[in-house]
Amino acid sequence: DQQVKQNSPSLSVQEGRISILNCDYTNSMFDYFLWYKKYPAEGPTFLISISSIKDKNEDGRFTVFLNKSAKHLSLHIVPSQPGDSAVYFCAASLFGNEKLTFGTGTRLTIIP
Amino acid sequence: DTGVSQDPRHKITKRGQNVTFRCDPISEHNRLYWYRQTLGQGPEFLTYFQNEAQLEKSRLLSDRFSAERPKGSFSTLEIQRTEQGDSAMYLCASSAAGTSGGYEQYFGPGTRLTVT
Repeated sequence: DQQVKQNSPSLSVQEGRISILNCDYTNSMFDYFLWYKKYPAEGPTFLISISSIKDKNEDGRFTVFLNKSAKHLSLHIVPSQPGDSAVYFCAASLFGNEKLTFGTGTRLTIIP
Repeated sequence: DTGVSQDPRHKITKRGQNVTFRCDPISEHNRLYWYRQTLGQGPEFLTYFQNEAQLEKSRLLSDRFSAERPKGSFSTLEIQRTEQGDSAMYLCASSAAGTSGGYEQYFGPGTRLTVT
């Protein structure tokens, strides 16, 4: 059973525009969420996280939104840059439990 | 700035052989994790340590897999009698408390295992 789902395998966005990556989860007990970026032949790189007590967290060009009632989170990247082209994974955990459950990833391509 | 390191980066082995991977976490992190990633999937949790103690193991971790962290620093993951289904990227991560109270995990570059 896939508890964390990223239904869009790929996304293409023009440079300078907003990229929106989506993630849904089924386990209502999840209360901590993270986004990672992965380049080929490298490990995932941590981008941004949010706990369930918040509905928004910003870090520079990256903003994560959490809608607990819909069990949905999204990552906004503004403005998109060519270096943002990578595979993005969302992950979820139970606060205080160390195991991360990942989605299957979305490949983002930024078009110059 | 030393992040998480893993060795080797690539390993090709024949079915039935044993392999061992090493992970060196970020020095001030006391938590260390192992994940496995196959093509088209996200990383899947295998096990984690807090200091020397192995606190959780996934049901994915069969009896052929064993992980250790003897002094609470580096960790090793051993796979005995490898099978072709073990071919995957093995990722190590470490963590300390995050600013929001959760635990961001920082990953190494991974060890790609190919079993022929």
